Amino acid sequence: GAVVSQHPSWVICKSGTSVKIECRSLDFQATTMFWYRQFPKQSLMLMATSNEGSKATYEQGVEKDKFLINHASLTLSTLTVTSAHPEDSSFYICSARDALVNQPQHFGDGTRLSIL
Amino acid sequence: SQQGEEDPQALSIQEGENATMNCSYKTSINNLQWYRQNSGRGLVHLILIRSNEREKHSGRLRVTLDTSKKSSSLLITASRAADTASYFCATDARNTGKLIFGQGTTLQVKP
Repeated sequence: GAVVSQHPSWVICKSGTSVKIECRSLDFQATTMFWYRQFPKQSLMLMATSNEGSKATYEQGVEKDKFLINHASLTLSTLTVTSAHPEDSSFYICSARDALVNQPQHFGDGTRLSIL
Repeated sequence: SQQGEEDPQALSIQEGENATMNCSYKTSINNLQWYRQNSGRGLVHLILIRSNEREKHSGRLRVTLDTSKKSSSLLITASRAADTASYFCATDARNTGKLIFGQGTTLQVKP
């Protein structure tokens, strides 16, 4: 079945560091990818929709300058948390869908980000 | 913003019993999907039901959809300890292409 690879799975870094997370679709082309954030014991909150070859669409309340998204190819989207601070610590998950309607999204295994 | 409400928030049952989780949503949808998440992991897709479908089965899973009530249910029959996880419904809203998640139900199956 379709697989989405997310890397890294765990990041611990100092406050002020920028962190890049990669999301790759391994066996299908994903014109659209999604980035979610999840706090402990809570649901997934959609942060932004990443569109290949165009600017990402951010959900209300998500700072686009803080969370930079690049979807440079049909198989790769990246999320960069710029100048990360402890409040940015969270579980970040990406998903990808192909162009077909009524098909499930495929999720990466997530990235646990801890900012000290 | 999240549009799905799920109940119960937490469910604890004995192995062999059935588990039922409910989900409600607010807007028109293309489909509704159920996902499972083990602690600290990504999501695993369980089942997708289209807006023109009323019931769907997959192994020990049974999903119903009532678009007039904007609600869905997930039934897990003959539960196993390995079913312990969080379960989320997610709606694929019309005209947006986005997947919006419910708050989730945490299921604990005791051996």
